[in-house]
Amino acid sequence: GAVVSQHPSRVICKSGTSVKIECRSLDFQATTMFWYRQFPKKSLMLMATSNEGSKATYEQGVEKDKFLINHASLTLSTLTVTSAHPEDSSFYICSARLGGANTEAFFGQGTRLTVV
Amino acid sequence: AQSVTQLDSQVPVFEEAPVELRCNYSSSVSVYLFWYVQYPNQGLQLLLKYLSGSTLVKGINGFEAEFNKSQTSFHLRKPSVHISDTAEYFCAVSAPRAGTALIFGKGTTLSVSS
Repeated sequence: GAVVSQHPSRVICKSGTSVKIECRSLDFQATTMFWYRQFPKKSLMLMATSNEGSKATYEQGVEKDKFLINHASLTLSTLTVTSAHPEDSSFYICSARLGGANTEAFFGQGTRLTVV
Repeated sequence: AQSVTQLDSQVPVFEEAPVELRCNYSSSVSVYLFWYVQYPNQGLQLLLKYLSGSTLVKGINGFEAEFNKSQTSFHLRKPSVHISDTAEYFCAVSAPRAGTALIFGKGTTLSVSS
């Protein structure tokens, strides 16, 4: 199946710094990518839909200025957590679909962010 | 808008026993339905999906699910589980429209013991 690669898999950063997470579709072009946040023992919460060449669409309650999303090419979307705080510590997962609505979504391996 | 309810947060079973993980959905339009599995600290892997046609869908690792439109359910089953099936299972829905995200249930932790 299609491969979505996410990097880094783990990152520890100091409070107040920014962290960038990359999501790449390795063998297909993804005009749309999705970013999820997963809390311990909780479901995946959709944060935003990333559209290549345009602004991301954020879900209600997600701070646009804290979670900056850039989708500069058809194979790369980035999520930057700005001025990170301990409450931003979480598991972040990106996803991309091959094409239409009848296709499955492929997921990156996830990034474990710990803010100290 | 769509939503998904997974009725059981945890399901403990013994090895070789059958298991059913329940999923109900809510939507004002037709939906596509998915089951994903997540192993610790990993991303998600597709088990199976229902788009249309036969309501009984077979997936990987011996799992199957049945779509029931009248009950708005999509329960996941396996006749005989293995220790290696221990994982988190997520039911998800998607509107039948390109560029839409999957919306997930809260997940069910399947714990298989010997």
